[in-house]
Amino acid sequence: GQQVMQIPQYQHVQEGEDFTTYCNSSTTLSNIQWYKQRPGGHPVFLIQLVKSGEVKKQKRLTFQFGEAKKNSSLHITATQTTDVGTYFCAGYVNTDKLIFGTGTRLQVFP
Amino acid sequence: DSGVTQTPKHLITATGQRVTLRCSPRSGDLSVYWYQQSLDQGLQFLIHYYNGEERAKGNILERFSAQQFPDLHSELNLSSLELGDSALYFCASSVGSHSGNTIYFGEGSWLTVV
Repeated sequence: GQQVMQIPQYQHVQEGEDFTTYCNSSTTLSNIQWYKQRPGGHPVFLIQLVKSGEVKKQKRLTFQFGEAKKNSSLHITATQTTDVGTYFCAGYVNTDKLIFGTGTRLQVFP
Repeated sequence: DSGVTQTPKHLITATGQRVTLRCSPRSGDLSVYWYQQSLDQGLQFLIHYYNGEERAKGNILERFSAQQFPDLHSELNLSSLELGDSALYFCASSVGSHSGNTIYFGEGSWLTVV
């Protein structure tokens, strides 16, 4: 069945360092979404990418959708303690089923 | 506040019992999704309803069932509970049912089976 894997599973960084999480799907996605879940919280929508090769930025966050629309990445520049949380990518299967990736838990040390 | 309301927030019950989790979607949203998140695990898709009809089903156990009512609220019924069913159950909603919709999560219902 459809699988969406993310690497790394965990990442510990010093505040100010960069961070990247990679998302890989076993099948082509029509679009990709990214969510952030703070510790003890619920997932919150960050962004959606639709076009092949699309790149979007939100302040220190850069999101990229692969040319084949099977992979994506999220890059955070100069991490801050407020970036702590688990980052999930998600893609639709058969238009009705939003499948989430395995997630990358980010810990930022001050 | 996402606008998605889930009750109860916490629930402790014994093995073999049955519980019902309730979800009220955001005003105007017709789709409701249910996800299960076990400790340190990802979000497992359970089921998706749109305007009262089941649209997609994930790896939902036969002991679990869900429905969406005419007023669009949804219930997830978990029966013959096992220890492994202990998890955080999220409800999410969106306006439509098609690919590209942003979904908004509730705060979840913590279920502990003892």
